[in-house]
Amino acid sequence: GQQVMQIPQYQHVQEGEDFTTYCNSSTTLSNIQWYKQRPGGHPVFLIQLVKSGEVKKQKRLTFQFGEAKKNSSLHITATQTTDVGTYFCAGKQPGYSTLTFGKGTMLLVSP
Amino acid sequence: EAQVTQNPRYLITVTGKKLTVTCSQNMNHEYMSWYRQDPGLGLRQIYYSMNVEVTDKGDVPEGYKVSRKEKRNFPLILESPSPNQTSLYFCASGAWDPLGQQYFGPGTRLTVT
Repeated sequence: GQQVMQIPQYQHVQEGEDFTTYCNSSTTLSNIQWYKQRPGGHPVFLIQLVKSGEVKKQKRLTFQFGEAKKNSSLHITATQTTDVGTYFCAGKQPGYSTLTFGKGTMLLVSP
Repeated sequence: EAQVTQNPRYLITVTGKKLTVTCSQNMNHEYMSWYRQDPGLGLRQIYYSMNVEVTDKGDVPEGYKVSRKEKRNFPLILESPSPNQTSLYFCASGAWDPLGQQYFGPGTRLTVT
């Protein structure tokens, strides 16, 4: 079955430092989504990428979808304490009816 | 307000006592699903439904049942809960075809003793 690997599992940064999480699929994806889960909360949708090589930005967050549509990344510039949480990627394989979630990257930001 | 609701939010029960976790959405979404979240394992899909009366197994369906009699509701049933079903459960809904953004409920923390 489809596997989505996400690294790192955990990262602790100082406020103002950059952060990147990477997502790799064993198969080509039709799209990939990113979610953020704050401590004690539920996953909240951030963005969806569909096209090969697509890059989207949301303020300090930059999302990329690889040319082969098998990998993706989320980069946060100049982290803030409000960025704390776990970031998940979720991939959809062509012809399948489900999203497969990565295990997530927990981000801790110290002031 | 567009939302997914789950009840109960917290539940402590004993092995073998049947329970149902309800999930309801007010966004007219065709697609609904259940996930369990365990430390180090991320979100794993239990069951999903693409429309009324259409359900299918996810990655970890053993020990669970679901039904989709109405579009807005997708209850999760544990006929005979066991301690290994102690987990945080999320219901989610979204548009289908194409499968897009998923809206998650607040979660149900279940403890089976």
